[in-house]
Amino acid sequence: RKEVEQDPGPFNVPEGATVAFNCTYSNSASQSFFWYRQDCRKEPKLLMSVYSSGNEDGRFTAQLNRASQYISLLIRDSKLSDSATYLCVVYMFSGGYNKLIFGAGTRLAVHP
Amino acid sequence: DVKVTQSSRYLVKRTGEKVFLECVQDMDHENMFWYRQDPGLGLRLIYFSYDVKMKEKGDIPEGYSVSREKKERFSLILESASTNQTSMYLCASSFIRGPNTGELFFGEGSRLTVL
Repeated sequence: RKEVEQDPGPFNVPEGATVAFNCTYSNSASQSFFWYRQDCRKEPKLLMSVYSSGNEDGRFTAQLNRASQYISLLIRDSKLSDSATYLCVVYMFSGGYNKLIFGAGTRLAVHP
Repeated sequence: DVKVTQSSRYLVKRTGEKVFLECVQDMDHENMFWYRQDPGLGLRLIYFSYDVKMKEKGDIPEGYSVSREKKERFSLILESASTNQTSMYLCASSFIRGPNTGELFFGEGSRLTVL
């Protein structure tokens, strides 16, 4: 089982739609959680951290469910510019040290 | 803005060649990382460094080595390139000292093809 798992998609949605991505992680002692965004042929960039109480940044809402070991990202009122791959990232102890584990990403395509 | 610069965007090398990938960051970050990214596998950590002349193996160090002689520069070396090292290589840096790295700033990536 992968340490961080995501649905690869693609999610094809029209502009204005609401879309949600889930991500599960294997280590219950994981400490920190993040969503990164990666545009086609570009480097990943931090989108937002995920806090235990959930947090919102404009149209983006991140949630953490420690009991079920998953995090989610909700995008409301999708824009064409939201088209990208969204990477779930978990900071956990693995392989003898603490490190960031990246999921393989979920691809989102927003169409007119 | 943080700038992480990788020396080559695209490289084509032959099996057995020695390959150098250079990475420079301009924000005085202490932590630097090398990842490779392959479809369906996500980013995998090759090596990282928390200080000058310090290096630690990541998850997939075999076939790679690194050098950090100066704080701003972290080099990845493929001693003898093989076809299974064809990949996108991403360098990253971060500010916070220690293992809790916080936000990573990535370079644009170096796409290496080994023939």
